[in-house]
Amino acid sequence: NAGVTQTPKFRILKIGQSMTLQCAQDMNHNYMYWYRQDPGMGLKLIYYSVGAGITDKGEVPNGYNVSRSTTEDFPLRLELAAPSQTSVYFCASSSNRVGEQFFGPGTRLTVL
Amino acid sequence: AQSVAQPEDQVNVAEGNPLTVKCTYSVSGNPYLFWYVQYPNRGLQFLLKYITGDNLVKGSYGFEAEFNKSQTSFHLKKPSALVSDSALYFCAILMDSNYQLIWGAGTKLIIKP
Repeated sequence: NAGVTQTPKFRILKIGQSMTLQCAQDMNHNYMYWYRQDPGMGLKLIYYSVGAGITDKGEVPNGYNVSRSTTEDFPLRLELAAPSQTSVYFCASSSNRVGEQFFGPGTRLTVL
Repeated sequence: AQSVAQPEDQVNVAEGNPLTVKCTYSVSGNPYLFWYVQYPNRGLQFLLKYITGDNLVKGSYGFEAEFNKSQTSFHLKKPSALVSDSALYFCAILMDSNYQLIWGAGTKLIIKP
């Protein structure tokens, strides 16, 4: 099992550019999450999904979009990148609402 | 509103000594509490969780946590620290109204040889 995989590992964007962060899991988990981690801060939930075709906003959804067309994949789309979106992004999955979340290795994004 | 606090930015412990990383919470209903660890340049790894039952929860790598309802605390403990325990530790609480984990700011644990 690869667990949770994320691509790319690093990315530098210019203000106004767009990109998609990829996330995939091979554990057949229904629940998937996108977080951002800023220095000295805990994780903030951007979006989550409880199954294919179902997504919902988390604490900090502005500037982002997600889709969940399959159980395995949960891409995060950044439209019109802004310096405030400079952060480390983590994708995670779990088998149920109170279960252990499995995290990917993260994507370090810099917006200049 | 649910919240979780980690009052210490950093904890320093000598190898072989017991360690405690503190976490307090605020919740209107029954809390679901978690501890995760993050090693440098890595994703987070689950350590343990409290859902219900025994107040002392045992987890990975010899860690345990004690749920204290009267003090609204869920401190992480280990009897004998290892240098390899040095990492960033996060406490989190699950909101009972949806699926959103609320995370503390993290505590950096440094174990000195």
